[in-house]
Amino acid sequence: GAGVSQSPRYKVAKRGQDVALRCDPISGHVSLFWYQQALGQGPEFLTYFQNEAQLDKSGLPSDRFFAERPEGSVSTLKIQRTQQEDSAVYLCASSPTGTGNNSPLHFGNGTRLTVT
Amino acid sequence: SQQGEEDPQALSIQEGENATMNCSYKTSINNLQWYRQNSGRGLVHLILIRSNEREKHSGRLRVTLDTSKKSSSLLITASRAADTASYFCATALDPAGAGGTSYGKLTFGQGTILTVHP
Repeated sequence: GAGVSQSPRYKVAKRGQDVALRCDPISGHVSLFWYQQALGQGPEFLTYFQNEAQLDKSGLPSDRFFAERPEGSVSTLKIQRTQQEDSAVYLCASSPTGTGNNSPLHFGNGTRLTVT
Repeated sequence: SQQGEEDPQALSIQEGENATMNCSYKTSINNLQWYRQNSGRGLVHLILIRSNEREKHSGRLRVTLDTSKKSSSLLITASRAADTASYFCATALDPAGAGGTSYGKLTFGQGTILTVHP
């Protein structure tokens, strides 16, 4: 596809359930970011991949959050034992360049997670 | 935590008027970017200004950067109803301050909600 694709678009989970959110970045993009956006707030950084390597996971709020990008393309963000405070929009973004360069990020439309 | 603050938090204007949004940040940066987000959608990149630039234009957009004051402004001229959206500034750290490497991680402000009335 032409842009970053995220699925599902909406996810409702009961507290304690595990969820998996998928991101298909733009083909050939080296960098992939996950952000969390609470209602009425700006996106907050979660984690960064350069190809398949997770170079920064400093923004993951707890060890219940786990992300992977095993083949350097599609990425999955997994949240275990979801809590109500996990309710947010999860945004994925990619860019063609990696370390040492700064270029605009291309965002997907996000997955809105609601934990009940 | 978020790097910067934006003001105003909300701005309501009539079509044809200009809209100005401001952003302040805290650390030394490599560049500053502005993004737009329509309701329920992802963010769309508008413009990037590097730390050694003071002003940049793109169509109806004008961005200024004052690194001594750690602030930036986004001006949208001759606004249209289609400009209604949230606008976010985002900063990329200075590589020297990021341990010698920078991979383009952006830190976002809290955004300005712009409403343009037809």
